[in-house]
Amino acid sequence: DTGVSQDPRHKITKRGQNVTFRCDPISEHNRLYWYRQTLGQGPEFLTYFQNEAQLEKSRLLSDRFSAERPKGSFSTLEIQRTEQGDSAMYLCASSSGTFYGYTFGSGTRLTVV
Amino acid sequence: AQRVTQPEKLLSVFKGAPVELKCNYSYSGSPELFWYVQYSRQRLQLLLRHISRESIKGFTADLNKGETSFHLKKPFAQEEDSAMYYCALSWSASEKLVFGKGMKLTVNP
Repeated sequence: DTGVSQDPRHKITKRGQNVTFRCDPISEHNRLYWYRQTLGQGPEFLTYFQNEAQLEKSRLLSDRFSAERPKGSFSTLEIQRTEQGDSAMYLCASSSGTFYGYTFGSGTRLTVV
Repeated sequence: AQRVTQPEKLLSVFKGAPVELKCNYSYSGSPELFWYVQYSRQRLQLLLRHISRESIKGFTADLNKGETSFHLKKPFAQEEDSAMYYCALSWSASEKLVFGKGMKLTVNP
């Protein structure tokens, strides 16, 4: 297992386009998290899955954002009709439980032009 | 609302000097506190957890519920400690972490 993988590493898109990111967690971890990080800020929680169930969503996750984790394995995060304010680093993490600590991926850097 | 404050954005010390990275939190219940670290060109990783009461790479952190603080300390800083450090808070009713804005530590030779 090579840890948490995220794809792509970088994405540049035009405003109004849809984008989708993928996260492959550590196979033994049943919990998967998405966070967003902007310059000068710490990561901000977006959503969390336990197996295939999406159990918690942040108010930051507007109706343009959707996340899935089919079959409790990899996850996708889709942003529809991107806006310049969506430009950020999108981080995925997996865990056996928050108290055990997260393992983060390298992130996907999104730039909306 | 739960909140984590790291009051200093930057700290620069010389090798061998003591360091203390401050973290204050806002939560009325029983929190779980963490320190995460991001070295240059590496991914964010867990440094230590309050619940483990461990010392990692010479770093320790003590939870002070009276002062609602979880400061990270190391008696003798090394150049390889240069990184971004994030304090984070969780609690039993949620799986999410609330992070502070982070602090950049630079250890000069």
